[in-house]
Amino acid sequence: NAGVMQNPRHLVRRRGQEARLRCSPMKGHSHVYWYRQLPEEGLKFMVYLQKENIIDESGMPKERFSAEFPKEGPSILRIQQVVRGDSAAYFCASSPLPKVDMLNTEAFFGQGTRLTVV
Amino acid sequence: GDSVTQMEGPVTLSEEAFLTINCTYTATGYPSLFWYVQYPGEGLQLLLKATKADDKGSNKGFEATYRKETTSFHLEKGSVQVSDSAVYFCALRTGGFKTIFGAGTRLFVKA
Repeated sequence: NAGVMQNPRHLVRRRGQEARLRCSPMKGHSHVYWYRQLPEEGLKFMVYLQKENIIDESGMPKERFSAEFPKEGPSILRIQQVVRGDSAAYFCASSPLPKVDMLNTEAFFGQGTRLTVV
Repeated sequence: GDSVTQMEGPVTLSEEAFLTINCTYTATGYPSLFWYVQYPGEGLQLLLKATKADDKGSNKGFEATYRKETTSFHLEKGSVQVSDSAVYFCALRTGGFKTIFGAGTRLFVKA
């Protein structure tokens, strides 16, 4: 059973270009979470998605960032018109349908995509 | 809001030394507490967790005890190995799906 797969592992974009980050959850997992890790900082929650639905996007910047998790295919985090401050590691995690006791629903993390904006 | 504070790194130890990485938290509810480890070039792996006060999480020789009175969840290991070199993140969840992470502590273990 493959783990959470993210690609690409490394992405270089020039300022103003678009960045597309992909996340394939573990088999059987229907919930995806995106986090951003700025240099020398911890992970910050961005967005939580279920198939075809955004559950919580309270951590997403209001402009230029969007996320989707279509019925078929991977989850996509899209950053339009990238700026140098978007340079970070972006991690995806997935979980099965959270149990009634959500605290015991474990999320599994991918290896991350390191975005560098030049 | 909820937050996690952990000791700054890097922490450099010799092999077989005792490790403590301090972690304290602020939360409005009753959180579950976690330690994650990130090895070089890899994603985060759950190392251990505790879901209520006085619980002790343990895995691979690492331990952490949920101390509600001091709002702490310090990570300890009696004898570190070179292979333990990684970044360690303390984290909490308060019943939702968002995990709040500390800034991470980088550990270097010298042979």
